[in-house]
Order: sequence, then structure tokens, then C-alpha cells
Amino acid sequence: AQSVSQHNHHVILSEAASLELGCNYSYGGTVNLFWYVQYPGQHLQLLLKYFSGDPLVKGIKGFEAEFIKSKFSFNLRKPSVQWSDTAEYFCAVTNTGFQKLVFGTGTRLLVSP
Amino acid sequence: NAGVTQTPKFQVLKTGQSMTLQCAQDMNHNSMYWYRQDPGMGLRLIYYSASEGTTDKGEVPNGYNVSRLNKREFSLRLESAAPSQTSVYFCASSEGNQETQYFGPGTRLLVL
Repeated sequence: AQSVSQHNHHVILSEAASLELGCNYSYGGTVNLFWYVQYPGQHLQLLLKYFSGDPLVKGIKGFEAEFIKSKFSFNLRKPSVQWSDTAEYFCAVTNTGFQKLVFGTGTRLLVSP
Repeated sequence: NAGVTQTPKFQVLKTGQSMTLQCAQDMNHNSMYWYRQDPGMGLRLIYYSASEGTTDKGEVPNGYNVSRLNKREFSLRLESAAPSQTSVYFCASSEGNQETQYFGPGTRLLVL
């Protein structure tokens, strides 16, 4: 079955620490990849996306993600987190065979000041 | 441009009651979706509508029905609510079914 795995369920960091959140998927073929963020009490917002081209994608608020096709991965990174990055982060994938997006279970990030 | 709007924001139901969650988008998107979000389970797709006039089941459709009333509106109906349907429900829309999805603010539903 198609799936998206986010292995880190909870991450706690201090401000200025570096962040990397893992995302792996199990689909073959051409994929579209997304990271969404949900700040406390808010709805999901798009952080960044990859459709094609440069596998290193830059998003809002200093986030970036790298698509590594051979590893079926799309990890999210930020060199220096801030308290305001406290949120839940969701990886999502679709491919040419689907009509819908499949989400991972999310990673809760807590950044302590 | 309000994006995706949902009503109500909060709702408490008793087991067996029915209700309809409303969703509307003003971005002229073709595709619309209903998800539920539960702790530790991420977002699970209930139903989606790839285009006006079509609806399809997602991952967890049991206990729900949907109506794509027109291009703007996509409603989710619980005919006989159960405590297992206590959740946060999000509506989303996208231009195409593989494009970026834009989410509404959510509806918190508690079924007693």
C-alpha cells in the first residue's frame, strides 16, 4: 500500500538549533511532494513543494527540503529554528496515478526559548 | 478573497444526531476534499471531489456522505453521529488533483 512515513513523532529543540525532519514515501514513478505546517490552533499551510527541477527546494520562513529520489525521501531542514517554529509538520505525496494527496502522520516540533 | 471557509467552527452532537459541515472556496478550484485529523494519525481523507459533479471515497468514508453542490461548495454529512467521529474536520481545495491544496480553518466536532 502507498504510504508516507514520518519517523519523528515529537521533536524538542532549543532556539538556534538545526532541524531535520524525515519523510519517506513508498510510491514509484513521478511524485509531487509537499510539506505543510500547522501552527497551534490554526489550519494547515503550505511550507514548500517539489514538482520537478532542482531537488533542493526552498520554502517560506527559511525552510528547505531535499528530494532524494534514490532514497524515496523528502526531508525538511532549517539551519536555525525559532520559538515561532513550534508547530506540527506534515509531509504529503501524490503521484501521477493518484487523484489525491497522502499525508504522513505528522511531527510535532517544540522549540524552547 | 477568503480562500476556503468552513462552518460551523465548533459543534457538539449527541450520538445518533445528524449534521452537515459546510465548505466553500472562492478560488475557482476544481478539486475539493474533506479530511479528519486525529491525534497521532495525521490527516485522513474522507471523501474528495476531483471536479464538479464527481465525488469519490477516500481512506475513511464510512459514516459520511458528501455533496458537491456546485464548483464552490462541498458539504460533508454525518447521518447518525457516533463518538468515533469526534475529530477536527478540514476541508481543502486545489486547482487540480495533484496541485497544492489550500485548507480551511477546520470544524471541531465532539460527539457525546
